Amino acid sequence: GESVGLHLPTLSVQEGDNSIINCAYSNSASDYFIWYKQESGKGPQFIIDIRSNMDKRQGQRVTVLLNKTVKHLSLQIAATQPGDSAVYFCAEKVPVAGNMLTFGGGTRLMVKP
Amino acid sequence: EPEVTQTPSHQVTQMGQEVILRCVPISNHLYFYWYRQILGQKVEFLVSFYNNEISEKSEIFDDQFSVERPDGSNFTLKIRSTKLEDSAMYFCASSDTGTGEDEQYFGPGTRLTVT
Repeated sequence: GESVGLHLPTLSVQEGDNSIINCAYSNSASDYFIWYKQESGKGPQFIIDIRSNMDKRQGQRVTVLLNKTVKHLSLQIAATQPGDSAVYFCAEKVPVAGNMLTFGGGTRLMVKP
Repeated sequence: EPEVTQTPSHQVTQMGQEVILRCVPISNHLYFYWYRQILGQKVEFLVSFYNNEISEKSEIFDDQFSVERPDGSNFTLKIRSTKLEDSAMYFCASSDTGTGEDEQYFGPGTRLTVT
């Protein structure tokens, strides 16, 4: 079946560097995508979202890029900080499936001081 | 900033027992959700609730599960007869003040351990 997946399970970066976390999705009908951050023992925390009619959206230190041609989503974190260490999930929503989110498998980001 | 709260933070129960997990969604939200996350795995959708009824549910949400909004603030998930494989983190989420916002806000979760 169609699913959301991630290329890399673990990403290790130096503090101050930029991080890029990738996500591949296979459901071409998805029209809304979200990146969540999950710290140990906590619930998913919203980072940034993007609709399928956009290619790029920027937030504070974060940018989400959407490439519908290859069904690829990425999260860029500028000047990565130790507090960014967490597991990052992408999630998608398909209009015909109501409001349910389908989550990817997660990527662990480790920031080295 | 408003947030979703959940109680208890950790629930231990014996197999076959009933459990009720409680959530207080953000007060002006209209959609409520339960998700679960088995240790080390991805977050999985269970059910969504709108206008006092279930709007979507996944295959996981079988007859052993039920949801209820008993009053204007609480949203509960009941598992009638727990199984070992129900052990997981259960997250409540809420969204949409009525203007179509899609962003779902998650609570901190309840860790359910079935022994």
